[in-house]
Amino acid sequence: QSVLTQPPSASGTPGQRVTISCSGSSSNIGSNYVSWYQQLPGTAPKLLIYKSNQRPSGVPDRFSGSKSGTSASLAISGLRSEDEADYSCAAWDDSLYGPIFGEGTKLTVL
Amino acid sequence: QVQLVQSGADVRRPGASVKISCKASGYTFTDYAIHWVRQAPGQRLQWMGWINPGTGNTKYSQKVQGRVTISKDTSANTVYMELSSLKSEDTALYYCARPTTKFAVNDAFDIWGHGTMVTVSS
Repeated sequence: QSVLTQPPSASGTPGQRVTISCSGSSSNIGSNYVSWYQQLPGTAPKLLIYKSNQRPSGVPDRFSGSKSGTSASLAISGLRSEDEADYSCAAWDDSLYGPIFGEGTKLTVL
Repeated sequence: QVQLVQSGADVRRPGASVKISCKASGYTFTDYAIHWVRQAPGQRLQWMGWINPGTGNTKYSQKVQGRVTISKDTSANTVYMELSSLKSEDTALYYCARPTTKFAVNDAFDIWGHGTMVTVSS
């Protein structure tokens, strides 16, 4: 079964750097780009990272992405209170011929 | 500006069908695929399928295949997603989304509709 696995929660204090991991398999992360989304409750996801490490215009450079093998990470530096949200990874899955998403990581800014 | 505007919330009985619309504006409708993604309360995003508005070609997730139909009306720049034989587990927020790149289906989604809440309840 094609699944992306993320930790359910993460936390940090303002100004800190936090990372969120995303683990997949050869049919998804291992052979395709990873994207990351930020989501507030009841609202549509917002694209933060695409093609594993590219930022859309308007996304601060405090957000960065990386990928290695079948895993990926999202890093947020200079943490701010407004970063408190759910963060989900996604990748195309070659066996499904569609994208799959991680379960989301709830980031708390202490 | 580029946007996707979806139809409003709906409540359906189990066994019924629901059809949601997604109207595109601000770009050439036939240049970009449209995907449908849903999110049940407290659950992860789940991809349902996509359509190429230029050709009408579709691809559906195996989880909803047989119950979902994605269609388009090019004259209205609108894509539709119909889900039949509704179950309580289909209660979710349904989104349409557009990939970042023209003529691609396997890209990240940079444009999302605001979401349509579908509640299935007797």
